[in-house]
Amino acid sequence: AQTVTQSQPEMSVQEAETVTLSCTYDTSESDYYLFWYKQPPSRQMILVIRQEAYKQQNATENRFSVNFQKAAKSFSLKISDSQLGDAAMYFCAYQSNYQLIWGAGTKLIIKP
Amino acid sequence: GAVVSQHPSWVICKSGTSVKIECRSLDFQATTMFWYRQFPKQSLMLMATSNEGSKATYEQGVEKDKFLINHASLTLSTLTVTSAHPEDSSFYICSASEALYREQFFGPGTRLTVL
Repeated sequence: AQTVTQSQPEMSVQEAETVTLSCTYDTSESDYYLFWYKQPPSRQMILVIRQEAYKQQNATENRFSVNFQKAAKSFSLKISDSQLGDAAMYFCAYQSNYQLIWGAGTKLIIKP
Repeated sequence: GAVVSQHPSWVICKSGTSVKIECRSLDFQATTMFWYRQFPKQSLMLMATSNEGSKATYEQGVEKDKFLINHASLTLSTLTVTSAHPEDSSFYICSASEALYREQFFGPGTRLTVL
């Protein structure tokens, strides 16, 4: 069965600095999708970034980028120039069929 | 992006009553909708998957007679918590997708408190 592991329950970063959130997963599939979702205090799930496993190029969305290492089954999220509005729970998720498999989440704290 | 709404955003009810939560896709047709439950400081737990016009598929451990799901149209799915008890208090989130294997778009969630 597929699993997703986020080993950092909480991370903190100084405003304007860069932070990396870790995610590893386990699967025997070769074709799948990986996601990072943000859940702010409002609890609305917001898609941050999406990576298709067959694409070697790492996805980027403005200040958010991923380091996708398929062989190592690693999918980390880098947030550059951290802003106060980035404070939230971040969830890593895996999808190979119709279901999303979720990590436990990482709480990101931004220090002003 | 695609918009999904949920109603109500929060509800308080007495133990033993039933509560209905609506999930609507506002600008697309959702063939598939998902219902999740989220406990405080935890991740999302999939409760069931519903396809328009079909019976919902429930995850192991989820009581289908307790959590009634109806997906009668391409824009609306409902979750009814029957005979609610305090242990049913939780945050319920729905998501919708145009097809079973497509991207899921999430609603804002419903906080249920059962007294």
